[in-house]
Amino acid sequence: QQQVKQSPQSLIVQKGGISIINCAYENTAFDYFPWYQQFPGKGPALLIAIRPDVSEKKEGRFTISFNKSAKQFSLHIMDSQPGDSATYFCAASWGGTYKYIFGTGTRLKVLA
Amino acid sequence: NAGVTQTPKFRVLKTGQSMTLLCAQDMNHEYMYWYRQDPGMGLRLIHYSVGEGTTAKGEVPDGYNVSRLKKQNFLLGLESAAPSQTSVYFCASRRQGAYNEQFFGPGTRLTVL
Repeated sequence: QQQVKQSPQSLIVQKGGISIINCAYENTAFDYFPWYQQFPGKGPALLIAIRPDVSEKKEGRFTISFNKSAKQFSLHIMDSQPGDSATYFCAASWGGTYKYIFGTGTRLKVLA
Repeated sequence: NAGVTQTPKFRVLKTGQSMTLLCAQDMNHEYMYWYRQDPGMGLRLIHYSVGEGTTAKGEVPDGYNVSRLKKQNFLLGLESAAPSQTSVYFCASRRQGAYNEQFFGPGTRLTVL
C-alpha cells in the first residue's frame, strides 16, 4: 500500500514530441504528488506538484494530470527538448507523515 | 545560501572499513533524510530525522547508523562497509509541515570493493 509504481523505466522521444510518464498508487491517504527531475551527477529537484483537489496542473511545458478514482497521475512534457533529458521521479505523501514515497524513476532521452 | 551540501563527493572503501558521510543544510529545516539510489530501484529511504537529537529508520536501515546532534547536520555512518552498500547517497531536507518541498544535496558516490 505504500508503493508508488512508475512506468516506463525508460523513454526515448523525438525533439518536439510529447513525453508521458505514469504513476499509480494504492494508499488513498496520499494527498500530495510531486514530480522530481534529476540530471546526471546532480541531486533531484522539485519540478511540479499537485494536490488531489484539482485534476490538472500546468507549469510551462510540464503538466500533471491526476485521476483520483483510478489512483493514477502522470507527467506530460509538451514540445520535449534535448535539455529535458533527465531522470524523472514521481512521489506521494500525505499530511500526517514526514516521508515521501518515491517511484523507481524514468530515464528520459530526447533526441535532437 | 548553499542549500544542502554533502561531504565527500566520492569515496572508495574496502570491505569492512568504516566511514561517515556528512550532510549540512543552511535553510533551518527541521526534517532531514538520507536516501540511497540504485539503478532501477529509485530513491530508497535509509534513515530520517524530524528534529535535532531525533532519528528514525526508513525503508533500508540495516548496516547504517545516523546522528543529528545539530539541527543543520545529519551524519550517516557505515560501521563495516559491504559491497552491497555501493551506491549513490543523497541527503535531503525540508521545512516542517505537510506539502513542503524536499531539497536534495548533490550526492556522494560510494564504492565498496
